Amino acid sequence: AQSVTQLDSHVSVSEGTPVLLRCNYSSSYSPSLFWYVQHPNKGLQLLLKYTSAATLVKGINGFEAEFKKSETSFHLTKPSAHMSDAAEYFCVVTLRGWGKLQFGAGTQVVVTP
Amino acid sequence: EAQVTQNPRYLITVTGKKLTVTCSQNMNHEYMSWYRQDPGLGLRQIYYSMNVEVTDKGDVPEGYKVSRKEKRNFPLILESPSPNQTSLYFCASSFPLGGLAPTSTDTQYFGPGTRLTVL
Repeated sequence: AQSVTQLDSHVSVSEGTPVLLRCNYSSSYSPSLFWYVQHPNKGLQLLLKYTSAATLVKGINGFEAEFKKSETSFHLTKPSAHMSDAAEYFCVVTLRGWGKLQFGAGTQVVVTP
Repeated sequence: EAQVTQNPRYLITVTGKKLTVTCSQNMNHEYMSWYRQDPGLGLRQIYYSMNVEVTDKGDVPEGYKVSRKEKRNFPLILESPSPNQTSLYFCASSFPLGGLAPTSTDTQYFGPGTRLTVL
């Protein structure tokens, strides 16, 4: 079985400050992990994905995430938040070799000027 | 333009009135799936399809039906909608790198969503 827990339902940051979104997962086998972003009234867009290559993964719009097997974590970070980063972010886990995705409950990010 | 389209985008209906939400992709993807999104629950998979005429249940299939008669289309059918099916629905597709089962390295492409209200 696999599951994913996003530790914060809401995160509020000031523009220009770092963003940290936390995600822990559990999986019986080697997982693949993704972060998706959903802007208001939009569909989901892939930010980045980990698939057993480098543990530090760089994505679009300056985001990156680090896979830490010992901590079963896949936290998403960005050094400097922009107003356009205001959105909901989903951490997703799947078993490698299978396309069924397990979504976290989401983290709503608010960016203040 | 490569995309996944859904119709309608918004729908208000009444309990028991059959409805279909269409999903179409133009990327020749083999794998397609439906999700519902509810506050605090993230996205939950309803049904998925690995190829034409091959469908299987996801995590929350009760009250839904699907069909996959063509590779590009994957409609979601609610035979007798109920208020607890009020939700935001997303269709997604991906192209497997090899074999019958889609690999988890594939990026899922999502449609824009269908907001359904059942009164």
